[in-house]
Amino acid sequence: DTAVSQTPKYLVTQMGNDKSIKCEQNLGHDTMYWYKQDSKKFLKIMFSYNNKELIINETVPNRFSPKSPDKAHLNLHINSLELGDSAVYFCASSQDGDVAKNIQYFGAGTRLSVL
Amino acid sequence: GQNIDQPTEMTATEGAIVQINCTYQTSGFNGLFWYQQHAGEAPTFLSYNVLDGLEEKGRFSSFLSRSKGYSYLLLKELQMKDSASYLCAAMDSNYQLIWGAGTKLIIKP
Repeated sequence: DTAVSQTPKYLVTQMGNDKSIKCEQNLGHDTMYWYKQDSKKFLKIMFSYNNKELIINETVPNRFSPKSPDKAHLNLHINSLELGDSAVYFCASSQDGDVAKNIQYFGAGTRLSVL
Repeated sequence: GQNIDQPTEMTATEGAIVQINCTYQTSGFNGLFWYQQHAGEAPTFLSYNVLDGLEEKGRFSSFLSRSKGYSYLLLKELQMKDSASYLCAAMDSNYQLIWGAGTKLIIKP
C-alpha cells in the first residue's frame, strides 16, 4: 500500500479553470503538507495541517485553498489557474513529536501544466 | 532571513566518494535533514542530524556542525543509481523545514 498517495499524477488545464488535487496518507500521521516545486527545483511549503488545523500558511495566493476532511486527507483546490501555477505539487505527511518523528514522507507529485 | 546554500551540481565517478556541502541560516534550529530526489520522483528521506558529529548509514554518512551552520552528506562507493538531486533541509524553531534548492549529482562510469 502506498503510504502517501496523491491524484492526479498529471494535470493539464487551461488558464482560468478551477482544479483540485487530492492527497491521502495511511501512516497515521498528525501533520500533512502541500509543497510547490518549480522549475528551479526549490521546494516551497504552501500549507501545513495538524489534526485538521492550519498551522502554516506561507504567502500563497488565496486562489489556493486547502481542505482537510480528516487527518488522513489534505486536498488542494486552486481557483482561476494562472500560467505561473505550472509546477509539481507534492503532498507530504509527518508524525508529531521529536525531530526523528518529523521525517516527512512524500507523495509521488502532481505535475500541473497550465496552458 | 532563513537560507540554505548547497552547490547546484556535482560530478563524480562510479566507485568513488563524494561530499555534498550545505550551509544554513535559520530562526532557531531543531535538526538538519538530507533527502534524495531522483528525476521526476518524490523526495525520500536519507538521514538527519540533531547533534554535532557524524551519523553513518551504510554507504551514506551525514555530518553536522551547529556552531558553523554547516552539514555535509558523504556518499561512498558511488553507484550509477546514486545519480539524483540531494536536498538539504534545516528545521527551524517552529519545526518547519527550510529547503535548499538541491545538488544534482551526476555519476560517470
